[in-house]
Amino acid sequence: GEDVEQSLFLSVREGDSSVINCTYTDSSSTYLYWYKQEPGAGLQLLTYIFSNMDMKQDQRLTVLLNKKDKHLSLRIADTQTGDSAIYFCAETSGTYKYIFGTGTRLKVLA
Amino acid sequence: DAGITQSPRHKVTETGTPVTLRCHQTENHRYMYWYRQDPGHGLRLIHYSYGVKDTDKGEVSDGYSVSRSKTEDFLLTLESATSSQTSVYFCAISDPTENIQYFGAGTRLSVL
Repeated sequence: GEDVEQSLFLSVREGDSSVINCTYTDSSSTYLYWYKQEPGAGLQLLTYIFSNMDMKQDQRLTVLLNKKDKHLSLRIADTQTGDSAIYFCAETSGTYKYIFGTGTRLKVLA
Repeated sequence: DAGITQSPRHKVTETGTPVTLRCHQTENHRYMYWYRQDPGHGLRLIHYSYGVKDTDKGEVSDGYSVSRSKTEDFLLTLESATSSQTSVYFCAISDPTENIQYFGAGTRLSVL
């Protein structure tokens, strides 16, 4: 079945760039998402990309999609302590079903 | 949280008791979902609804039932709670015209 994989932890220093990676298996994925979850809160949509795009930039966030390798990444420029959270990758092929990764816990060191 | 209210936000209950969690939306979105979040498992779909009185099972539906009598409300019931159902439960909504899922703030359930 469909699967989405992410590494569990990432630690970076404040001011550096963070890159969070995700791989997925569903070749019919049409939308791919990045969500952020802060402690005690729900998932907040950060950004998303259509499968016919290679890159999307939104202020400090850059999403790269390599459809051939089924690899999605989220780059956060100038990472701040407020970026410390769990980041979830998710995908859908446009039906009701959304598949989520296990989440990457980003820790930003001051 | 995109017009989604989950209640209660926290609940502690005993093994064997029934529990109902409520999700209320003000967005008039067609699809509603219940997920559970556990360490190392990410989000797992319990049940979803694609319209009033139209529901279907997700990957971890055993021990759970749902009902949707109005567009805005989706109820998750644990008929007889077990300790393995201790988790954080999230409601989500989406609309097929938009292909984006929005999440509620979650309900933390502890079954002792």
